[in-house]
Amino acid sequence: GEDVEQSLFLSVREGDSSVINCTYTDSSSTYLYWYKQEPGAGLQLLTYIFSNMDMKQDQRLTVLLNKKDKHLSLRIADTQTGDSAIYFCAEYHTGNQFYFGTGTSLTVIP
Amino acid sequence: DAMVIQNPRYQVTQFGKPVTLSCSQTLNHNVMYWYQQKSSQAPKLLFHYYDKDFNNEADTPDNFQSRRPNTSFCFLDIRSPGLGDAAMYLCATGGTGVYEQYFGPGTRLTVT
Repeated sequence: GEDVEQSLFLSVREGDSSVINCTYTDSSSTYLYWYKQEPGAGLQLLTYIFSNMDMKQDQRLTVLLNKKDKHLSLRIADTQTGDSAIYFCAEYHTGNQFYFGTGTSLTVIP
Repeated sequence: DAMVIQNPRYQVTQFGKPVTLSCSQTLNHNVMYWYQQKSSQAPKLLFHYYDKDFNNEADTPDNFQSRRPNTSFCFLDIRSPGLGDAAMYLCATGGTGVYEQYFGPGTRLTVT
């Protein structure tokens, strides 16, 4: 697979913004994704961005893409305790292949 | 309105005893994927089907096989489970022109 890297842990206070970062290596990626995984559950697609965009906003979520630096971030505004989970970034390659990052465990402190 | 269903949610098998995990979907998607996810790791793609075309990842062990008898169902067969195969197994679907994956809840496999 391709290298998709994320920091392992992030801790924020309830009501603050969270920013989760991801770097990838393949500049040919067409779509980039953010998934949320709660304990013992499958992955839930949160949002995605096409590679010719640099920003996408969806309610509390803002995705920023810097293609030059191959850097993707997810900002969660007004973070809630229900946002505590593991967040995975992923990239799509031609041929129906998805490569996932290592995941960032977000802890929200009440 | 479940979309991707995996059964069972928890499976215990003995070392070396064949086990089958199942996945079904109501989305009529062309593509079905099987991932293995070990604790605190990223999901690792084992293989995927595009309709009936089977695509194996190069590093997927021969111990893992898959069957897709129709559009709705896909099975993961582990012929001789080892202790290292204990993991969460995730099924996902995707459609042509739909660059999204929809995941099932996963089956947690324990090997004793």
